[in-house]
Amino acid sequence: ETGVTQSPTHLIKTRGQQVTLRCSSQSGHNTVSWYQQALGQGPQFIFQYYREEENGRGNFPPRFSGLQFPNYSSELNVNALELDDSALYLCASSQASNTEAFFGQGTRLTVV
Amino acid sequence: DAKTTQPNSMESNEEEPVHLPCNHSTISGTDYIHWYRQLPSQGPEYVIHGLTSNVNNRMASLAIAEDRKSSTLILHRATLRDAAVYYCILRGNQFYFGTGTSLTVIP
Repeated sequence: ETGVTQSPTHLIKTRGQQVTLRCSSQSGHNTVSWYQQALGQGPQFIFQYYREEENGRGNFPPRFSGLQFPNYSSELNVNALELDDSALYLCASSQASNTEAFFGQGTRLTVV
Repeated sequence: DAKTTQPNSMESNEEEPVHLPCNHSTISGTDYIHWYRQLPSQGPEYVIHGLTSNVNNRMASLAIAEDRKSSTLILHRATLRDAAVYYCILRGNQFYFGTGTSLTVIP
C-alpha cells in the first residue's frame, strides 16, 4: 500500500467542459508525474513536476496542464474535454526522477 | 524518444522461474531501467530498477546486458499472484511505458 492518493476516484464530464484531478504525493517525495491510460493500453506519460517546476512533458496538447504545490501535491487540469480523453489518470510520486515511483489508484474519467 | 519492446504475452507454470525480456536499443547513458507490474483496475506497482549492474531484491532480479540495449526481469518462482502486465520502462526526466507483457501463471 502506497501513500499516494488521488481524488476523485471516478468522474463523469461532458465534452467541452474542464476538469481538475488531484494527487497527494507520498511523504518526502518531491517529484510527481501524471499518466493517461486508455482501456487495454499502457500508461502514457503526460508530464512531470519537480519542486513545483515542470521538468518533462510527453506528447499531449497544451490543454493538459498541471501544477505542483509547495507541499508537493499536484493537480492535472484538462480543458475543452474530448471524448478520447476518457481514461484512467494515474499519478506517481518519487524522491527523484530516477528512483522508484509509487502510483496512486487512479481517477477514472468518462467524457460523454 | 526512449522506447522499449516487449513480447505481448507469456505463460509460466506455477513455481517455475520466469524470464521476461525487454529490448531498449535507444537507451541513453543516463536512463535507468525500471520494471513495474499492473493488476486490473490498479495503479502500477514498482518491481525493480537498475542502471548498469544486475540487481536483486525480494521480488525479482534484473539482468542488464553489457551494452544496456536489453534487460531481463527474472521471477525466481512464479506464483498465481504474479499474474499481471509487466512493463519495462526507461526513466530519465520522462517515463515511457510500452505495451507491456501480460504474464499468465498456470497452476
